[in-house]
Amino acid sequence: GNSVTQMEGPVTLSEEAFLTINCTYTATGYPSLFWYVQYPGEGLQLLLKATKADDKGSNKGFEATYRKETTSFHLEKGSVQVSDSAVYFCALNAGGTSYGKLTFGQGTILTVHP
Amino acid sequence: DGGITQSPKYLFRKEGQNVTLSCEQNLNHDAMYWYRQDPGQGLRLIYYSQIVNDFQKGDIAEGYSVSREKKESFPLTVTSAQKNPTAFYLCASSLQPGQYNQPQHFGDGTRLSIL
Repeated sequence: GNSVTQMEGPVTLSEEAFLTINCTYTATGYPSLFWYVQYPGEGLQLLLKATKADDKGSNKGFEATYRKETTSFHLEKGSVQVSDSAVYFCALNAGGTSYGKLTFGQGTILTVHP
Repeated sequence: DGGITQSPKYLFRKEGQNVTLSCEQNLNHDAMYWYRQDPGQGLRLIYYSQIVNDFQKGDIAEGYSVSREKKESFPLTVTSAQKNPTAFYLCASSLQPGQYNQPQHFGDGTRLSIL
């Protein structure tokens, strides 16, 4: 079956530090990959996506590259801000008979201190 | 602005009571989904619907029921058979269910607690 594994959290960083959140996946076929962000008490917002191998998704200074050879989609940001504190979810859509269903990782809590 | 509206934001359930969570979207999306989120866990799919008057069970459908009588609406009922209903419930939609590159759009959630 399909699965997504994220690095263990929580992650605590100082402002302007470099961020990496690891995400690896298992899926049949060629899934689309997504990063979502959830701020306290809110729903999920799409952060970025990539739909084929070697695609790079980017948004708000965040980037992730679809690496088929390592089945990974790691999230990176060069300089985090306090406002980036949130929970980050990696997800995949395997297509086919999945009918648009997303498979999520368990989420990584990021806290950024001034 | 288009989006997904979930109501209420907070809901309390008494023992033996059914409660219904509302989800409305004005994005003209075909597919809609219900997820359950527990602390420290990812999202788990309860039910999904690809088209009006059709829906399928997700991974944890027991104790829940849904309907899809209108394209815009996908209410979720948490029945008394759901013994551990305390969780954060998220509704989502996507443009076309068969398109694997379509992202899902989420509402702001309903937090359900037991009295």
